[in-house]
Amino acid sequence: QVQLVQSGAEVKKPGASVKVSCKVSGHTLTELSIHWVRQAPGKGLEWMGGIDPETAKTTYAQRFEGRLIMTEDTSTDTAYMELSSLTSEDTAIYYCTTNQIGMFDSWGLGTLVIVSS
Amino acid sequence: DIQMTQSPSSLSASVGDRVTITCQASQDISNFLNWYQQKPGKAPKILIYDASNLDTGVPSRFSGSGSGTDFTFTISSLQPEDIATYYCQQYDNLPYTFGLGTKLEIK
Repeated sequence: QVQLVQSGAEVKKPGASVKVSCKVSGHTLTELSIHWVRQAPGKGLEWMGGIDPETAKTTYAQRFEGRLIMTEDTSTDTAYMELSSLTSEDTAIYYCTTNQIGMFDSWGLGTLVIVSS
Repeated sequence: DIQMTQSPSSLSASVGDRVTITCQASQDISNFLNWYQQKPGKAPKILIYDASNLDTGVPSRFSGSGSGTDFTFTISSLQPEDIATYYCQQYDNLPYTFGLGTKLEIK
């Protein structure tokens, strides 16, 4: 069974960047397709992007292009999501999740990112 | 982007009731649709994939149907532990998109 352990909550100022980690156990990262989904307070789910482990290609939702970077460290089985130029609208819970042919089947507990001056 | 229109946005029902949620895609997505349950303060959980397949361990009172643009999610007999928000999600095209959710409450 895959387990995803995410890093702790962050508070950032507008304009800053945040980097959230997601450590995988139960499988190796190379076997998994890690995606990121966020949820603003009281709002729905929003897909941000993901990595295809076979091609190592990352795909980002267009609205995040240019300020979102997803990376992986296979030596530690840890995935990272870095979002830059933060605004208050980026305040949300950020989830890492495994993608199996379009189905998000395992989820981390989420990382709360608060953007506030 | 494919828009997913989910209704109703909220629903109040009694224990034992049959509950139905609909999800309409803005274009044909075949059966590339999943349903998730999210309880307060928790991560989402996959319930149904490919429109009608129950994920492992999911109670049989949950079911899904549909193809093309119109999909239905049903709880045959509502239980107190089913209180949650339910989301549909398409994966026919990137970006993956979700419905806005249906918040289910006990009457």
